Amino acid sequence: DQQVKQNSPSLSVQEGRISILNCDYTNSMFDYFLWYKKYPAEGPTFLISISSIKDKNEDGRFTVFLNKSAKHLSLHIVPSQPGDSAVYFCAASFYSSNTGKLIFGQGTTLQVKP
Amino acid sequence: NAGVTQTPKFQVLKTGQSMTLQCAQDMNHEYMSWYRQDPGMGLRLIHYSVGAGITDQGEVPNGYNVSRSTTEDFPLRLLSAAPSQTSVYFCASSYLGQGPNTGELFFGEGSRLTVL
Repeated sequence: DQQVKQNSPSLSVQEGRISILNCDYTNSMFDYFLWYKKYPAEGPTFLISISSIKDKNEDGRFTVFLNKSAKHLSLHIVPSQPGDSAVYFCAASFYSSNTGKLIFGQGTTLQVKP
Repeated sequence: NAGVTQTPKFQVLKTGQSMTLQCAQDMNHEYMSWYRQDPGMGLRLIHYSVGAGITDQGEVPNGYNVSRSTTEDFPLRLLSAAPSQTSVYFCASSYLGQGPNTGELFFGEGSRLTVL
């Protein structure tokens, strides 16, 4: 039973345009969400996060939106750059339970074309 | 500044063999975990630990064993390797508590395991 789902395995966008990566979750008890980026042959690295008490968080070119009623979050990258080409994982946790446990989605491979 | 170090980076095993994947972190993180990455399945949690002497199961614990005798080390043992355990394994660690960076996992570079 996949609690965190990324239904788009891949996404291709042109350099300079917006990339939108989507993520859905099923457990309404999740209260903290994160996005990770992974290049080939490397470990994932943290990108941006959002608490369930917010609906938006920005960090430079990256913005994460959270829609709790729809159990949906999205990552916007504007403008997209070729160096953004990577696999993006969303993750969810029970922050308030303090276990540190993260549940990841399947990942979306983003290709940004020059 | 080593961060999270995993060894070995590559390993080939025969079915039935046992081995240990090593993981060490030098950031004094309370939380450590093991994930496996498989195509189309994303990162799935195998086992995790919130401190020395404390471990718990994740989503896919069968066939794996862990222990946490020190804050720094969290080895993953494959008791009797099976082809289904062919995967890329990642160790990750983080702080616990309510401060900044909570929940942000720091990952090692991964260990690619092939079971024949």
